[in-house]
Amino acid sequence: SQTIHQWPATLVQPVGSPLSLECTVEGTSNPNLYWYRQAAGRGLQLLFYSVGIGQISSEVPQNLSASRPQDRQFILSSKKLLLSDSGFYLCAWSVWRLSSYEQYFGPGTRLTVT
Amino acid sequence: AQRVTQPEKLLSVFKGAPVELKCNYSYSGSPELFWYVQYSRQRLQLLLRHISRESIKGFTADLNKGETSFHLKKPFAQEEDSAMYYCALNPSGSARQLTFGSGTQLTVLP
Repeated sequence: SQTIHQWPATLVQPVGSPLSLECTVEGTSNPNLYWYRQAAGRGLQLLFYSVGIGQISSEVPQNLSASRPQDRQFILSSKKLLLSDSGFYLCAWSVWRLSSYEQYFGPGTRLTVT
Repeated sequence: AQRVTQPEKLLSVFKGAPVELKCNYSYSGSPELFWYVQYSRQRLQLLLRHISRESIKGFTADLNKGETSFHLKKPFAQEEDSAMYYCALNPSGSARQLTFGSGTQLTVLP
């Protein structure tokens, strides 16, 4: 069966420091991969998605970037964190089922920028 | 562009009472609609999708194209239903992205 991993689970970083969050998927090949941010009271915001190695689509201009160096690895990065980058970051992958894509989510990373 | 609106950020009901979580969408085509749920300390997970026309954990949701709504309903709420619920839309079924609403935090009181 397919599983999705994210790490770290929690992270506290000072303003201006770099960021690297990692997401890996097991049990599937060539998945669609996604990064979301979940902010209190604001729901889920799609940040990036990728349909293949090296293919990244950005949904919202911001201080973050994403990369997909391997088929089942998706990385969220920042060179200099801002206070507004604090939030809960979710990685997801999707599968085609019943004429649509269903998404499955990882456990998330709680990022606090101080 | 498509949009999903969940007008209630917080909703509280008593155990055994009916519950309805509202979801309205704006999209001119024929979208796929989903409900996702996140229980405390658990992952966000798919609850149901309109194309399946099934009842999951006693919840149902009917797509009303005339009213552009996809409300989630359960006739008798249980305490374990307390969670954050998100409505989501896939505009064409083949699109890889989902558009999520802002979520409704449901609390079922004893």
